[in-house]
Amino acid sequence: DVKVTQSSRYLVKRTGEKVFLECVQDMDHENMFWYRQDPGLGLRLIYFSYDVKMKEKGDIPEGYSVSREKKERFSLILESASTNQTSMYLCASRPGGITETQYFGPGTRLLVL
Amino acid sequence: QQQVKQSPQSLIVQKGGISIINCAYENTAFDYFPWYQQFPGKGPALLIAIRPDVSEKKEGRFTISFNKSAKQFSLHIMDSQPGDSATYFCAASGTDSWGKLQFGAGTQVVVTP
Repeated sequence: DVKVTQSSRYLVKRTGEKVFLECVQDMDHENMFWYRQDPGLGLRLIYFSYDVKMKEKGDIPEGYSVSREKKERFSLILESASTNQTSMYLCASRPGGITETQYFGPGTRLLVL
Repeated sequence: QQQVKQSPQSLIVQKGGISIINCAYENTAFDYFPWYQQFPGKGPALLIAIRPDVSEKKEGRFTISFNKSAKQFSLHIMDSQPGDSATYFCAASGTDSWGKLQFGAGTQVVVTP
């Protein structure tokens, strides 16, 4: 079974803090993704990575950055957290090639005060 | 601006009834249309997917109907069960998009006993 784990289920941070969200997958997948999930908006892609040290912006990258130093780990960084970044953050991985299925982690619910 | 429009936002169906969720898209480059199912506290998981070369795909009680000319697709849940209560997301991607998915806003389905 594919397993995607996220470092925290719940986080509370203060405005202006630097926030790190970690994601690890155990299936040697090429592609990894960060989404945020908000009611009425579905899942929106923040960043994705198709290989180690490679990254591409998604639809809503502003205020975020990412890091992928190892194949199994993909980190989302909020450089200076703001209240409008309060959300559920979901990490996903995908094998690459013709396989389309994305495997999601359980999510991190972030509250920025 | 959401590239995949999903409706309804929520629906309540009695046990044994049929749940129908509809999605529409504009981008004719989309060629892969999955549905993801999300239970509370969990990440989304692939339920069923279709490509435009077929008009219907069935897996157990779940059926996708696809209308290429109308650029619409729908999920039918037959004989709905309380265990089907979840949020359902439609999505779409194209072959040139690194597997990036555009998600609909989601539909919360509640199946009453």
